[in-house]
Amino acid sequence: SQTIHQWPATLVQPVGSPLSLECTVEGTSNPNLYWYRQAAGRGLQLLFYSVGIGQISSEVPQNLSASRPQDRQFILSSKKLLLSDSGFYLCAWSVEVALNEQYFGPGTRLTVT
Amino acid sequence: GENVEQHPSTLSVQEGDSAVIKCTYSDSASNYFPWYKQELGKRPQLIIDIRSNVGEKKDQRIAVTLNKTAKHFSLHITETQPEDSAVYFCAARELTGGGNKLTFGTGTQLKVEL
Repeated sequence: SQTIHQWPATLVQPVGSPLSLECTVEGTSNPNLYWYRQAAGRGLQLLFYSVGIGQISSEVPQNLSASRPQDRQFILSSKKLLLSDSGFYLCAWSVEVALNEQYFGPGTRLTVT
Repeated sequence: GENVEQHPSTLSVQEGDSAVIKCTYSDSASNYFPWYKQELGKRPQLIIDIRSNVGEKKDQRIAVTLNKTAKHFSLHITETQPEDSAVYFCAARELTGGGNKLTFGTGTQLKVEL
């Protein structure tokens, strides 16, 4: 069965520091991968999605970036964090476009101080 | 792009009553509509979904209906229980741009009271 991992689970970082969040999927090949952010008490905002290695689509302008160095690895990065980057970051995957179902990882709770 | 509106933002029901959450979407080409349940501090979990070639789908106490003409879909929970308390999100699959993108509603906080 498929499993999705995210780490770290929680992170506290000062403003201006760099960020690297990692997401990996097991048990499937060539998944579509997604990064979402959820601010406290708010909905899900799609940040990036990827349909393959090296293929990244950005949904909103921001100081975050994403990379997909391997088929089942998706990384979210920032060179300098802002206070507004605080939130719950969720990675998600789907197998194929036709199947549609999208499943979320356990998330990383980021607090920028 | 797709726009999904969800109502109500909060819903309080008595245990055993039914709960209904409604969503509307803007892109008539959207063809897939999932519902997610998110408990406090946890990841959203897919609880039911419906595709555009179906008008209704049921799974035990939960059901989803879809009206393509009106571009709205609804989640129905019957015989609510305290463990149904959570935030529920609807979503619509956006066909343009590829990548199986979902546009989410803003969520409904459901509280089931004893």
